[in-house]
Formats: sequence, C-alpha cells, structure tokens
Amino acid sequence: GAVVSQHPSRVICKSGTSVKIECRSLDFQATTMFWYRQFPKKSLMLMATSNEGSKATYEQGVEKDKFLINHASLTLSTLTVTSAHPEDSSFYICSARDRISAYEQYFGPGTRLTVT
Amino acid sequence: RKEVEQDPGPFNVPEGATVAFNCTYSNSASQSFFWYRQDCRKEPKLLMSVYSSGNEDGRFTAQLNRASQYISLLIRDSKLSDSATYLCVVRNTDKLIFGTGTRLQVFP
Repeated sequence: GAVVSQHPSRVICKSGTSVKIECRSLDFQATTMFWYRQFPKKSLMLMATSNEGSKATYEQGVEKDKFLINHASLTLSTLTVTSAHPEDSSFYICSARDRISAYEQYFGPGTRLTVT
Repeated sequence: RKEVEQDPGPFNVPEGATVAFNCTYSNSASQSFFWYRQDCRKEPKLLMSVYSSGNEDGRFTAQLNRASQYISLLIRDSKLSDSATYLCVVRNTDKLIFGTGTRLQVFP
C-alpha cells in the first residue's frame, strides 16, 4: 500500500518552545492531508484538513494560531505546535489522500510529543 | 452524544473464541463505514470496509445496518495476534470520524 512518513517519530520539548512535525507521502501525490490528535485511551480527533496550496480548514475548538499547518507541495504537509504547553502532549497522526484515487486515506506512523 | 460510539471493552477472550464488536453512529447521512485496527502506540490501519450486504475477509465479518445506524465486526477463531484496539470509523463528506475503539485481548 501507499506509504506516508512522519518526522520526528518522537519529540520532547520544553514549555514555550515550538515543534514542527512533517508528514510526507512517499510514493503518491496528496492534494489533501489530515492532521489528527490522539490522547491516551481516547479516539483520534481530526484537528484540520490541509489542502495543497491553500489555507488549512480547522475543526471547531482547534486554534489555528497555535497549530500552524503548511501544505506547500503535493507530498509534504507540516504541523507546527507553537508555544507548546504540557497539555499539548499527545500523539499526532497525519493521513494523506491519494490525488488519483481520491478515496482512501493512508496514515503516517504518528509523532509522540511530550512537553515538559 | 458522540458521533460514533463503541463499547471500550476490554474484551478478554481465549484463543479460538468468537468475539463481536458493535458500533453506532449518529449521522444518518454518513456515506462510508470502516473498521480499523490500532496497535499500542501505532497508527490505525484499515482492517476492512463495511457494506450493507455484509462482507467477510477470512476470519473477519463486518455488517452494516443503515436503518439502525449500527455496525458490527465479528472475529472468529481468535488469535493472539488479534489483540489490539478496533476502531469503528465513519466517513462524512471527506472526513473520517473515529470511535474511541474497543480493546481486545486474546489470551492463550
């Protein structure tokens, strides 16, 4: 199946700093990428939908100024958590939708963020 | 009310057992339905799509009842490797809505 990578897989940062997470589609072009967050023992919650070349669409309750999303190319989307706080500690997962098939979403392996 | 509801479990079953998971969804306009599997600290992986006619993939059978807005997953002859969290997922327009998942633990 299609491959989506995320980098880094794990990051620890101090409160107040910013962290950038990359999501790449390795063998297909993705016009749309999705960013999810998952707290322990909770469901994946969609944070935002990222479309190549345009602004991301954020879900209700997600602060766009805190979670900056950039989708500059058909294979790369980035999520930057700005001024991170301990409550931002979570598992962040991206998924990418193939431009051709436009149906199936392929998930990245996730990034575990710990803010101390 | 959550859009997708599942019994969180855990379900602890012996190898060889048959186990069934249920899920309900609230949006009658939902278009597509899936079961995903998620291992601890890993990303979710598509297990199977779910159709009204019911579909089977080896030991796994999924069923959708649109009238009741109910989705099920049956696992026969459970293996140790089936231990994971099973996520019921519904597509609304282009968004996937995830249930909280049902944890399955298969023991020897």
